[in-house]
Amino acid sequence: EVQLVEIGGGLVQPGGSLRLSCAASGFIVNNNYMSWVRQAPGKGLEWISVIYSGGSTDYPDSVKGRFTISRDNSKNTLYLQMNSLRVEDTAVYYCARDTVSDGFDIWGQGTMVTVSS
Amino acid sequence: QLVLTQSPSASASLGASVKLTCTLSSGHSTYAIAWHQQQPEKGPRYLMTVNSDGSHNKGDGIPDRFSGSISDTERYLTISSLQSEDEADYYCQTWDTGIRVFGGGTKLTVL
Repeated sequence: EVQLVEIGGGLVQPGGSLRLSCAASGFIVNNNYMSWVRQAPGKGLEWISVIYSGGSTDYPDSVKGRFTISRDNSKNTLYLQMNSLRVEDTAVYYCARDTVSDGFDIWGQGTMVTVSS
Repeated sequence: QLVLTQSPSASASLGASVKLTCTLSSGHSTYAIAWHQQQPEKGPRYLMTVNSDGSHNKGDGIPDRFSGSISDTERYLTISSLQSEDEADYYCQTWDTGIRVFGGGTKLTVL
C-alpha cells in the first residue's frame, strides 16, 4: 500500500526546534520529489518545502533559513528540521509526494505542531 | 506572480451538481492544476489533475462523479450527484520552478 505517515509533532516554546519525520511505504522517496505542506488552525494549505529527486531543495520566504528538508534513503523517510520556531508556525504539518506533472498525489495524515510559551 | 483564486464558499443540494472554479493569474493560462479534497477533521486527498488541454487525470479510487475542465485561465471541478460526504473544503494547487501554490480553498456545503 502506498502511504505516508508523519510523526514528531508536539508542543514547543518560541525559539525552539523540532524535527518531523515522514515514513513512506509503497514507493521510494529518493526517486521522487517530496514536499511539506502546513495548515494553521482554521486556515488554508501552505506549501513550505520541496526536495527534488536530485537532492536540491526550495523553500518559500516564510520559512527559508529556519526550516530544512532532508531525507534518509536507507529508511525511506523524509524529514523537516524546524528551528527558531514562532507562534505563527503553529499548524498541522503534512508531507506529500510531489509529482512532476500531477501535483501532490499522496498525502500523509498530518502531525500537529504547537508553538507556545 | 503565480496566484490561484477560489471563491470561499459554494453550496448545492443533495443529488444535484456543482462546479467549483479555480482561476489562474494572468499570463499563466498554460498551467495545469491539481484539485484536492479535505473533509472535516481529515487530511487532504488528491482528486485529479486538470491539464491545459482540458484533459484530466484522476487519482486512484476517485468516483466518476468528479470531473475536471478548463476555460482559458479557469480550471473547474464538477461534482455530480452530490452526496453528503462531498461536503468538504476543496483546494486547487499548481506549480512552477521552485514554487508550489495553493488557492485559498472553497468550502462546499451540501444542502
